Amino acid sequence: AQSVTQLDSQVPVFEEAPVELRCNYSSSVSVYLFWYVQYPNQGLQLLLKYLSGSTLVKGINGFEAEFNKSQTSFHLRKPSVHISDTAEYFCAVSLNTGFQKLVFGTGTRLLVSP
Amino acid sequence: DTGVSQDPRHKITKRGQNVTFRCDPISEHNRLYWYRQTLGQGPEFLTYFQNEAQLEKSRLLSDRFSAERPKGSFSTLEIQRTEQGDSAMYLCASSPIGQKGYEQYFGPGTRLTVT
Repeated sequence: AQSVTQLDSQVPVFEEAPVELRCNYSSSVSVYLFWYVQYPNQGLQLLLKYLSGSTLVKGINGFEAEFNKSQTSFHLRKPSVHISDTAEYFCAVSLNTGFQKLVFGTGTRLLVSP
Repeated sequence: DTGVSQDPRHKITKRGQNVTFRCDPISEHNRLYWYRQTLGQGPEFLTYFQNEAQLEKSRLLSDRFSAERPKGSFSTLEIQRTEQGDSAMYLCASSPIGQKGYEQYFGPGTRLTVT
């Protein structure tokens, strides 16, 4: 079975500062990796994904993430955050075969203040 | 393409009542998923449809829960004899079959409160 750990439940940061949200996963087989963002009272929106190939993936809104197989990590980064980035961020994995249910972490709330 | 829609957005019900939620996926998306999200947690998988066939159910889906997807279009999720522990956000997602099948598009969710 797959599992995802997001150790930071909340990350406060000032506007225009860099941020890193941590994600570690566990799986005995190959997986796809995702980051989703959830704004208040809304569904989840896909930020970026890692399927294969280059370990550095770029997503929407200036976010990027790096897949590290040896450390089983997929940390999300942004060099300069905006107030509008305040939201809940979820890391997720799915198998890369068959139907692909997502297994989510518990989420990290990013709080950007002026 | 209007995205995934869910109805209602909010539902308040008394313990013991039955409730039904609807999900309309993106047209031509063959795969449909239901997830449940409780406060402070990430979404948890409930069930999966490919066209009209329900192919996978989580053990979280007790006998009081039933889901359908007649004709492979919209889906309904029914909870019978609701309990306070059923209070959660119920999310629906859809994806196409094929190369982009990994990419799930989520609806806005139905927030259920059981009093």
